[in-house]
Amino acid sequence: DTAVSQTPKYLVTQMGNDKSIKCEQNLGHDTMYWYKQDSKKFLKIMFSYNNKELIINETVPNRFSPKSPDKAHLNLHINSLELGDSAVYFCASSQDLRVGEQYFGPGTRLTVT
Amino acid sequence: GNSVTQMEGPVTLSEEAFLTINCTYTATGYPSLFWYVQYPGEGLQLLLKATKADDKGSNKGFEATYRKETTSFHLEKGSVQVSDSAVYFCAFLRGNNNDMRFGAGTRLTVKP
Repeated sequence: DTAVSQTPKYLVTQMGNDKSIKCEQNLGHDTMYWYKQDSKKFLKIMFSYNNKELIINETVPNRFSPKSPDKAHLNLHINSLELGDSAVYFCASSQDLRVGEQYFGPGTRLTVT
Repeated sequence: GNSVTQMEGPVTLSEEAFLTINCTYTATGYPSLFWYVQYPGEGLQLLLKATKADDKGSNKGFEATYRKETTSFHLEKGSVQVSDSAVYFCAFLRGNNNDMRFGAGTRLTVKP
């Protein structure tokens, strides 16, 4: 069984479009995260949610909006896509806010043309 | 602010060679430290961790010791395999909200 899953795995779209990436975890964890990994493999936290409450909100453009309908899901919606948004986006989860270990999904490669 | 600095890659080794990937941290206090591994086309996986000074984390033949004297958490393996080819990330916890911050990553390629 996949612990942290993301859809789609690949997403190719044009500038100006709006797109969403979905994430689900079946580990019963309370906390979920979104990371962006650029072409040089640098990994940056974007958001985290704990029991549907926003905890970490890094300095990202407000075109990015996370939504957590329940604690097993954390989706990422991106408006008005730009070339610089091209990256691999990873969802992750952890048991709660106290446990360090995070479990990562397989990633969504977003290409904006 | 708190940060981790990893040795720049890429690192290329022959099978059975000894591996060291350096990681040093700058922090207030003694944050938990981690090594994550990312195999090609996959997400990151926790490799090992240490939660306090002098702790040694180990897994799959990899080891790292939390050394507060040198503020280091170097990753070592005595004999690497081709299957160890991956990107390795040093990381630490910042603050109280499980805010994980990663180093820049070090790509390791092991040749037969």
